[in-house]
Formats: sequence, structure tokens, C-alpha cells
Amino acid sequence: DAKTTQPTSMDCAEGRAANLPCNHSTISGNEYVYWYRQIHSQGPQYIIHGLKNNETNEMASLIITEDRKSSTLILPHATLRDTAVYYCIVRPSDTGTASKLTFGTGTRLQVTL
Amino acid sequence: GAVVSQHPSWVICKSGTSVKIECRSLDFQATTMFWYRQFPKQSLMLMATSNEGSKATYEQGVEKDKFLINHASLTLSTLTVTSAHPEDSSFYICSANYPARGRYEQYFGPGTRLTVT
Repeated sequence: DAKTTQPTSMDCAEGRAANLPCNHSTISGNEYVYWYRQIHSQGPQYIIHGLKNNETNEMASLIITEDRKSSTLILPHATLRDTAVYYCIVRPSDTGTASKLTFGTGTRLQVTL
Repeated sequence: GAVVSQHPSWVICKSGTSVKIECRSLDFQATTMFWYRQFPKQSLMLMATSNEGSKATYEQGVEKDKFLINHASLTLSTLTVTSAHPEDSSFYICSANYPARGRYEQYFGPGTRLTVT
């Protein structure tokens, strides 16, 4: 699976957009970009995923560059409850039942007043 | 939908004893569940893949005789830490495969914090 690189930490003011970058320069054509987050002492929570088109759901937007070597997760109006570690994961499209997720170190997002 | 629970949420046990952690898919059936371990300030590390009705598949370096996994039904997988020692103290998290959008997506439980004294 392709490796991802994320900044260790970021700060964001409450109410502003949080833009979390992820580099996945070795991604292959059949690999999706997934984002999960983990609030302190809880299990990870699925946020969004995409292949090459930009995606949006009720939680966030995912912008993937045309060459697919990087992506940005956007939380449009961050709140204190969005403080968490955000993981960017590359995963093959052929997700059989045994498909694994490999977690990197993620980005620790701190939302402040 | 796609709710995964774990029990207990935390447990303290004495060194040398065994402890069982349950992972349940509450509103769906999961043929495959996964067990992760997370040490403080570190990321999640996959321990094993649990398959209903068959033996679990363990990741390299994980002792299968120490971490016993049983996936006896489509909604329940258990992880038993045998002869626990203080170095086994960790946050144990399970996930279950949920069919969604033509694929299988992993949904995670809330985790179980194990402290071995």
C-alpha cells in the first residue's frame, strides 16, 4: 500500500475552515484515499473517501489533486469537538472482506476558541 | 447503522491472569472483524484479522497463543489476552467490515483500555 505523509500537528480557530493536507505521491491507480479521525480515547471514526474526484459529505470535503499525489481534507467550520487526530490512509480499491487499513501517525488538529 | 460495541470499556487485571474483550456488531453481520492495539501517543497497529468460522490471521510479531481470537458468530468476536503482563497494557480497538457503497468499510468500536498491574 502507498505511504502517506501528514503534518504532525495543526491549529485552527473555531468557526474557521480546517485544511488538513496529505501527501501520497506513490499512490497507484486503483487506490482510494480514506480519512478517519480519532478523538482522544475513542475508536477511529470514518470521515470520507475518494478515488480521483472531489467528494463532499455532511462532515467534510475531500480535494484530490489531478495527479492524485496529494489531497486535502476540509472541515468547513471547525468546532471544538473536531479536535482529534486525523488519519489519511491509502487503500486498494479491491476491498475484499480481509482488506486492511494501515494507520500512519496522523495529524493532531487542535481547534481553539 | 454500522454500530460496533466493545465490552468492557476498561479493565484492570493482575499480572498472570487472562482477560477477555468482546467486540459486537450491533445492527449488521460481519464475517470479518479486526483487532488493533494502540499504545499511548502512538498510532493503531493491526494485530489480527478475525474471520467468522475460521482461524484468525495474525500480523507478524503478534503471538497467536497469547492473543486468542474467537469469531464464533456473525456479530461477535472475542480477544483473550492470556497471562497478561504490564507490557500488555494498552488500548485495544476492534473494527467490523460493513458492506457499503459496493465495498466493505471498516467501522470501529469505542475501544477497551487494559491495565495490567
